[in-house]
Amino acid sequence: EVQLVESGGGLVKPGGSLRLSCAASGFTFSVAWMSWVRQAPGKGLEWVGRIKSKTEGGTIDYAAPVKDRFTISRDDSKNTLYLQMNSLKTEDTAVYYCTTDSGSPPYFDYWGQGALVTVSS
Amino acid sequence: SYVLTQPPSVSVAPGKTARITCGGNNIRSKSVHWYQQKPGQAPVLVIYDDSDRPSGIPERFSGSNSGNTATLTISRVEAGDEADYYCQVWDSSSDHYVVFGGGTKLTVL
Repeated sequence: EVQLVESGGGLVKPGGSLRLSCAASGFTFSVAWMSWVRQAPGKGLEWVGRIKSKTEGGTIDYAAPVKDRFTISRDDSKNTLYLQMNSLKTEDTAVYYCTTDSGSPPYFDYWGQGALVTVSS
Repeated sequence: SYVLTQPPSVSVAPGKTARITCGGNNIRSKSVHWYQQKPGQAPVLVIYDDSDRPSGIPERFSGSNSGNTATLTISRVEAGDEADYYCQVWDSSSDHYVVFGGGTKLTVL
């Protein structure tokens, strides 16, 4: 059974940093493409970014609103995906979901339960 | 950037057919995917590549894509289908790459 479990969410002040983790199990993580998708309170879904498998180059893509502030990485030895968030803004407040990514073109077939990040002074 | 337009809400009586649309410029040239999200839960993929169903998704869920409109059709609607539904495409020319529609709230009367 595929399981994705996010952790690391919490309250942070504007301009601060936070790192989310996503522990994966039930599939071969090292060959999987992975994405982060977020959802602001009461709003729709917004893609944050994706990381390809190392065997396919490990390329990372970001959505424009987070580019240069957020960094996606992976540790295949730990079956874990990360999202490092710097220079956080109030508009980054959202539930952040870790998802498996089908590739090209992408769809998101498995989702974690989400981690809430609140950016507020 | 590429925009996907969904109606904010759709209402349907139990046992009837619900159709949720997703409009986009020449959307037929893209693969459209659909997600169901119930309150307090993570989204679930219900249709991928326009009309394919993941395992475990009832046959009552189907999809189509033509012209400027993709459609998610739910036949014999049940109370448990009440949820928000989102369409999604990939657009490499967009600054978001992955584009979601704004979502449609399906209400079962």
